[in-house]
Amino acid sequence: GNSVTQMEGPVTLSEEAFLTINCTYTATGYPSLFWYVQYPGEGLQLLLKATKADDKGSNKGFEATYRKETTSFHLEKGSVQVSDSAVYFCALSERDSSYKLIFGSGTRLLVRP
Amino acid sequence: GAGVSQSPSNKVTEKGKDVELRCDPISGHTALYWYRQSLGQGLEFLIYFQGNSAPDKSGLPSDRFSAERTGGSVSTLTIQRTQQEDSAVYLCASSLAPGTPSPLHFGNGTRLTVT
Repeated sequence: GNSVTQMEGPVTLSEEAFLTINCTYTATGYPSLFWYVQYPGEGLQLLLKATKADDKGSNKGFEATYRKETTSFHLEKGSVQVSDSAVYFCALSERDSSYKLIFGSGTRLLVRP
Repeated sequence: GAGVSQSPSNKVTEKGKDVELRCDPISGHTALYWYRQSLGQGLEFLIYFQGNSAPDKSGLPSDRFSAERTGGSVSTLTIQRTQQEDSAVYLCASSLAPGTPSPLHFGNGTRLTVT
């Protein structure tokens, strides 16, 4: 079945450091890929998405590229801020599965000043 | 506001009692999803509604769990004879169009504690 695997956290970085959160997926077809973020005390929010191979999603300085050959969708940011501290979830959806999102287990990011 | 609204935000119940959780999706969103987030875990899909019908119930963990949606809008998730393992945050999400991978908009969830 479809699944998403992402690196375990917590990830602790200093402000302005480079961030990578790895995400790989298993899917039977051609899924769309997403990153969602959950800030402390808030609900899940869409951060970025990509709907086909080689697409790059970007938002708020975060980027992720849909790599079909490696079945990956790693999240990157060149210079993190304290305000980026949150839990990040990688997810996929497929038409054949009602477009429901299948999530990874989440990666907590803590950015220190 | 225009977001997904869930109520109550917190619910504490005794083991064996029934609970009802409510979700008001964004107006005009035809697709509605329920998820469960247990402590330290990812999000577990429960059920998907398209309009008032539920073509995908594959995530409901047992027959104690049921859900309905009326008027293509409000949905209620019911858990009968609650157990301690039902303690979790229950999230509702809606999206605009079922035929495309449109983003899901999530509510803030209902935190259920079964004592």
